[in-house]
Amino acid sequence: ETGVTQTPRHLVMGMTNKKSLKCEQHLGHNAMYWYKQSAKKPLELMFVYNFKEQTENNSVPSRFSPECPNSSHLFLHLHTLQPEDSALYLCASSRDSPTGFYGYTFGSGTRLTVV
Amino acid sequence: DAKTTQPNSMESNEEEPVHLPCNHSTISGTDYIHWYRQLPSQGPEYVIHGLTSNVNNRMASLAIAEDRKSSTLILHRATLRDAAVYYCILRDDTAQGGSEKLVFGKGTKLTVNP
Repeated sequence: ETGVTQTPRHLVMGMTNKKSLKCEQHLGHNAMYWYKQSAKKPLELMFVYNFKEQTENNSVPSRFSPECPNSSHLFLHLHTLQPEDSALYLCASSRDSPTGFYGYTFGSGTRLTVV
Repeated sequence: DAKTTQPNSMESNEEEPVHLPCNHSTISGTDYIHWYRQLPSQGPEYVIHGLTSNVNNRMASLAIAEDRKSSTLILHRATLRDAAVYYCILRDDTAQGGSEKLVFGKGTKLTVNP
């Protein structure tokens, strides 16, 4: 375990379903991120949250809706997805402080299949 | 975001050293060089990072060229568990306010032969 926990590990959903991905960290980190990794493509940054505030949205379609209720939890709400949204969704967290940057900690990801 | 260039793939033999190169000719003075690796079916994990001086930790060593336009990640004795995709990433760690994002490229896929 890395300290960043993602659930579920695997998810199969139909195009009309609504589901949520959950990410949790108790590392004391202030920033949290969602990345998407499609087959044979680099990781794509989707959203960035810093101290619960969204600081970046990389032109992600509205069928992906993030939520960050506190610095330890991050959700990705999914609705009316397309088959091309099938991918590994990775959550990461980091801590930035005046003394420096301490690296990202990633979860193991949720393997999403849209049918 | 400053760009990095890495070979698509490399091979090594078990228990031999591995040198993974990264070119970053447009690096700025405040960019740190970060290395992550991603094992199969896992999220990326931090390996090492540095600014100007060479760095060592329990996982690897990072050798940074004097002009900082290139760097090399060194695995001193490769094991089968080191087979992964290795990413070289530049990040401005001095930016205030936090959450400067990591932008991943395609990385180098390392194969370790027994």
